[in-house]
Amino acid sequence: DAGVTQSPTHLIKTRGQQVTLRCSPKSGHDTVSWYQQALGQGPQFIFQYYEEEERQRGNFPDRFSGHQFPNYSSELNVNALLLGDSALYLCASSPGEGRTDTQYFGPGTRLTVL
Amino acid sequence: DQQVKQNSPSLSVQEGRISILNCDYTNSMFDYFLWYKKYPAEGPTFLISISSIKDKNEDGRFTVFLNKSAKHLSLHIVPSQPGDSAVYFCAAPTNTGNQFYFGTGTSLTVIP
Repeated sequence: DAGVTQSPTHLIKTRGQQVTLRCSPKSGHDTVSWYQQALGQGPQFIFQYYEEEERQRGNFPDRFSGHQFPNYSSELNVNALLLGDSALYLCASSPGEGRTDTQYFGPGTRLTVL
Repeated sequence: DQQVKQNSPSLSVQEGRISILNCDYTNSMFDYFLWYKKYPAEGPTFLISISSIKDKNEDGRFTVFLNKSAKHLSLHIVPSQPGDSAVYFCAAPTNTGNQFYFGTGTSLTVIP
């Protein structure tokens, strides 16, 4: 049973560029959440997708957007990259409808913005 | 707005001794708490949780204590093993469960 997978593992971009990160949830899970973990910090919630819709959003600017596909996989897009966007981006999945108390995380994508 | 706080960035403990990791929260609406463990180059993995209707939950070497009046929880690891060396995050979901708040983490080093 595959867990949560993310691609790519590492990515280097320059300021102003755009980036797309990808996530496949754990089998049987239909909800995907994205987190940003800056160095020395805990994961910060970006948004959550369920049934291809953004269900909840954290305190992140509109430069951060996402998408969920019918197979429940998800993408995180960041436009107009800033140096401060350098972080580990984590995807977490959970079984969907209603409250869930446990999320399963992927290994993350390390984004470096130069 | 840091609703979940871990004030100790690091902790070193001798193998076989007890490790105690602390976490404080500010939102009295939180009714469920989790601890995650993270190794380098891996995502956080769920370790143990506790509901606010309990004050203690135990799973093998790991016990979490919750003090609601103090808005404080702690994770006890007994006995500590070198493989326990990792970063530990305390987390709490909103009441819808759609958003998790994480602390900043405590890096535990267990010395053989």
